[in-house]
Amino acid sequence: SQQGEEDPQALSIQEGENATMNCSYKTSINNLQWYRQNSGRGLVHLILIRSNEREKHSGRLRVTLDTSKKSSSLLITASRAADTASYFCAFTGNQFYFGTGTSLTVIP
Amino acid sequence: DGGITQSPKYLFRKEGQNVTLSCEQNLNHDAMYWYRQDPGQGLRLIYYSQIVNDFQKGDIAEGYSVSREKKESFPLTVTSAQKNPTAFYLCASTGQVATNEKLFFGSGTQLSVL
Repeated sequence: SQQGEEDPQALSIQEGENATMNCSYKTSINNLQWYRQNSGRGLVHLILIRSNEREKHSGRLRVTLDTSKKSSSLLITASRAADTASYFCAFTGNQFYFGTGTSLTVIP
Repeated sequence: DGGITQSPKYLFRKEGQNVTLSCEQNLNHDAMYWYRQDPGQGLRLIYYSQIVNDFQKGDIAEGYSVSREKKESFPLTVTSAQKNPTAFYLCASTGQVATNEKLFFGSGTQLSVL
């Protein structure tokens, strides 16, 4: 299986704190993407980082990519209760492969 | 309003029955995908199609079948050969065959066994 690994599996923080989740993969990639899933819904794309990029920002999101370590991290700053969701990395070679997900709970 | 529509939202299957999940997109996307999601787990690829009248097996294709007769539609049939079909099924599409763009997802179908 080419499924990626994410950690932590679950994360609970207070509103206003930062949340960091990590993704590791095993294959060479074209790019790495992060998605968000609210309970019982489809996934929504958050951010894409290409294999030749090291860091990317979008609003309160910061993504890093280390292709030598085959890992990526997603940082959500100043978290809000509405950020409560599951977050998945997806890395792309000839197909899209998804990580196991991190369940984030932001406590108001 | 462009997007991907999955139906039904909830589906129940009886023993020995085949059921079909619908996925329609009006985004003019070439590539379409079916994923299975089990509770607390990531997505696993069932089938994908990069062009009309062509599709390929993913990692867990056994017990499933698909067709791609129209660009807009990519239905998934869960056959009686799939012994553990209870899961959340997600359809997705992307504009390019190459995986350089983001995936657009439908809202999912929850399939349960009666």
